[in-house]
Amino acid sequence: EDKVVQSPLSLVVHEGDTVTLNCSYEVTNFRSLLWYKQEKKAPTFLFMLTSSGIEKKSGRLSSILDKKELSSILNITATQTGDSAIYLCAVEAFRGTYKYIFGTGTRLKVLA
Amino acid sequence: SAVISQKPSRDICQRGTSLTIQCQVDSQVTMMFWYRQQPGQSLTLIATANQGSEATYESGFVIDKFPISRPNLTFSTLTVSNLSPEDSSIYLCSVEETGNEQYFGPGTRLTVT
Repeated sequence: EDKVVQSPLSLVVHEGDTVTLNCSYEVTNFRSLLWYKQEKKAPTFLFMLTSSGIEKKSGRLSSILDKKELSSILNITATQTGDSAIYLCAVEAFRGTYKYIFGTGTRLKVLA
Repeated sequence: SAVISQKPSRDICQRGTSLTIQCQVDSQVTMMFWYRQQPGQSLTLIATANQGSEATYESGFVIDKFPISRPNLTFSTLTVSNLSPEDSSIYLCSVEETGNEQYFGPGTRLTVT
């Protein structure tokens, strides 16, 4: 059965810290891995990764995919209180049709 | 990216009634998805809705409970029927754009009393 596992489940840090969030997956016919930030209701798209070893970067956030290890990490440097959110990892896989399987998320709290 | 709107943004419904959620996109998209997020849980895919064909439901979700319409390339509805308190969730529609990036609507928070 396809699954996506995120770790840690929750994390509390202080402003200025650097955090690394992990996502590992076991899916059939992997196509892409996506990271989202969820603050209230709707997840906000952060990154889509399809190729191993190529880092995607946006400001203080960066992410990389390791297809050999079936995993991805999301790094946030110099964290701010506005980074407090649930970070979701989703994997797009093919089972008759393409669909997205979400991990349980990592709840990040950044303290001032 | 596409701009996605959902209506209603929230609702409180009585047990046994139904709620229809609308999802409108500002551009034509082939694939639309409906998700449920129960309290404290991650997103679970309910079904994939492609225009011109029947929705494809995931295991554990059936058409009688969650009928979906997809009349054109910019609009879809999800109905949650015969509501029970266990249906209290956030319901989200999403679209896949060219490049396979997926974007979400603002969500509908349903509370069943």
